[in-house]
Formats: sequence, C-alpha cells, structure tokens
Amino acid sequence: DAKTTQPTSMDCAEGRAANLPCNHSTISGNEYVYWYRQIHSQGPQYIIHGLKNNETNEMASLIITEDRKSSTLILPHATLRDTAVYYCIVRGTGTASKLTFGTGTRLQVTL
Amino acid sequence: DGGITQSPKYLFRKEGQNVTLSCEQNLNHDAMYWYRQDPGQGLRLIYYSQIVNDFQKGDIAEGYSVSREKKESFPLTVTSAQKNPTAFYLCASSLDRGEYGYTFGSGTRLTVV
Repeated sequence: DAKTTQPTSMDCAEGRAANLPCNHSTISGNEYVYWYRQIHSQGPQYIIHGLKNNETNEMASLIITEDRKSSTLILPHATLRDTAVYYCIVRGTGTASKLTFGTGTRLQVTL
Repeated sequence: DGGITQSPKYLFRKEGQNVTLSCEQNLNHDAMYWYRQDPGQGLRLIYYSQIVNDFQKGDIAEGYSVSREKKESFPLTVTSAQKNPTAFYLCASSLDRGEYGYTFGSGTRLTVV
C-alpha cells in the first residue's frame, strides 16, 4: 500500500473551512484514498473515501488531484468538536489489502 | 444498532500475566483486525482475520495471539512474552471485499502494573 505524507498539525478558527492536505505520490491505479479521524481516546471514525472523482458527504468533501498524487479533505464549517487527529490512508481493494495508519494531522479548532 | 464492541474499556495487568481483550461485532463483517496505539503514534496492525478459523500476523504480532472461532468474535490475548504491553488496543471490522472501509470499536486501554 502506498505511503502518505501529512502535516503534523494545523489550526483552524471555528466556523471557517478546514483544508487538510495529503500527499500520496506513489498511489497506484486501484488504490482508494480514505480519511479517518480519531478524537482523543476513541476509535477512529470513517469520514470519506474516493478513487479519482471528488466526493462529498454530510461530514466533508474530498478533492483528489487529476494525477491522484495528492488530495485535500475539506471540513466546510469547522466546529470545536472537529478537533481530532485526521488520518489519510491509501488502500487497494484486494482481500490482502489493509489500512495502514501514519501519524496523521492533529487539527485544533479554536474559538 | 449494529456495531463493534470492545471490553473492558480499561484493564490492568500484573507483569507476567496473560490477559484477553474481547471484540464482538454484529455487522456481519467478514474481516476483523487488531491494532495497537502508543501515545502520540498512529495505529499498528497486530493480527487480522479474513475468515473464520483463519488469521494472519500483522506488523507487530510477537507476544500476541488471537482466535477466530466465530464470525462475530475476534479475541486478542496479550501474553507475558509481550515486553511492553501497556497501550491502547483497537479492534476493527470490515466487509472483506471492494472499497469498504473499517468500523472501529471504542478501544481497550491496557496498563501493566
């Protein structure tokens, strides 16, 4: 599975959009980009995933570049409850493919 | 409601003792996983199972053992051979095909005293 690179930490003011970048330059054609978040001392929570098209759900939007080497998770109106560690992961669809977590981006939402 | 349940939430163990962490899911998921998380770190895969009565080692399997006798259950035993067992343990499950993601439990925090 391809490795990802994320900034260690980011700040965002409450009510503003939080844009979390992720580089995955070695991603292969059948690998999806997944985003999870983990609030302190809880299990990770699924946010969104995509292959090559931009995706949106009730939590966030995922923008994937045309060459698929990077992506951005967008929380359109961040709240204090969005403070968490956000993990960007790439994973294939084969039965042996597993989620491999890096250290993620610690997002701090402030008043 | 469907979900994945880990118990207990907190666990204390004396050095030299084996301890078993429970993980149960009612999502009818095929695959189940155990991860370990240390403070300030990401998750590391211990063991995973794609089908009943079969499981594979992950990246840090030494000192751990698992069983998968039922589709719903995937208990993890932390043995006395695990030199640094104090950590946060997370269980997850998924449909073992396609692009489906994982559902995680709420975790068990194990402390060796």
